[in-house]
Amino acid sequence: GDSVTQMEGPVTLSEEAFLTINCTYTATGYPSLFWYVQYPGEGLQLLLKATKADDKGSNKGFEATYRKETTSFHLEKGSVQVSDSAVYFCALDSGSARQLTFGSGTQLTVLP
Amino acid sequence: DAMVIQNPRYQVTQFGKPVTLSCSQTLNHNVMYWYQQKSSQAPKLLFHYYDKDFNNEADTPDNFQSRRPNTSFCFLDIRSPGLGDAAMYLCATSRGQRGGQETQYFGPGTRLLVL
Repeated sequence: GDSVTQMEGPVTLSEEAFLTINCTYTATGYPSLFWYVQYPGEGLQLLLKATKADDKGSNKGFEATYRKETTSFHLEKGSVQVSDSAVYFCALDSGSARQLTFGSGTQLTVLP
Repeated sequence: DAMVIQNPRYQVTQFGKPVTLSCSQTLNHNVMYWYQQKSSQAPKLLFHYYDKDFNNEADTPDNFQSRRPNTSFCFLDIRSPGLGDAAMYLCATSRGQRGGQETQYFGPGTRLLVL
């Protein structure tokens, strides 16, 4: 079945540091890939998505590229801010069961 | 702005006392989902409605029920809440494209506390 493996957290960075959160997946066919962000006490917000190989999703300075050859969708940001502190979930939809498959989530804390 | 709305944001109930959580959407999406999220975990899908068709996940306890009276509203009923049902409950929607891979849009969640 489908699965998503996410980098274990928590991750603690200083403001303006470079961020990478690794995400790899196993799925049938060509899934759509997503990054969601969850701020404390809030629901999930769609951060970015990619629907086919080599697509790059981007939003608010975050980027992720759909790499079919490595089955990866790593999240990156060049310079993090304190306000980026949140939990980040990688997810996929392979279209087989109208269901999102989530990774376990990565807690990011950015210190001033 | 089109959105997914959940009320209330915080709900306190007593052990064994039925409780209903509500979700509404202005996106006019065909599909509505209910997820349970416990602390430091990924959301777990309980069930979803495709239009009026109800789809239950195999491991969702019978204690959890849902109603969708119209396109805009969906309710989660917990018939006899136990202490283990304390969690964040997330509602989400998607367009409902046949056979397609879809983006799900989430509400802000309702945090349920069981005393």
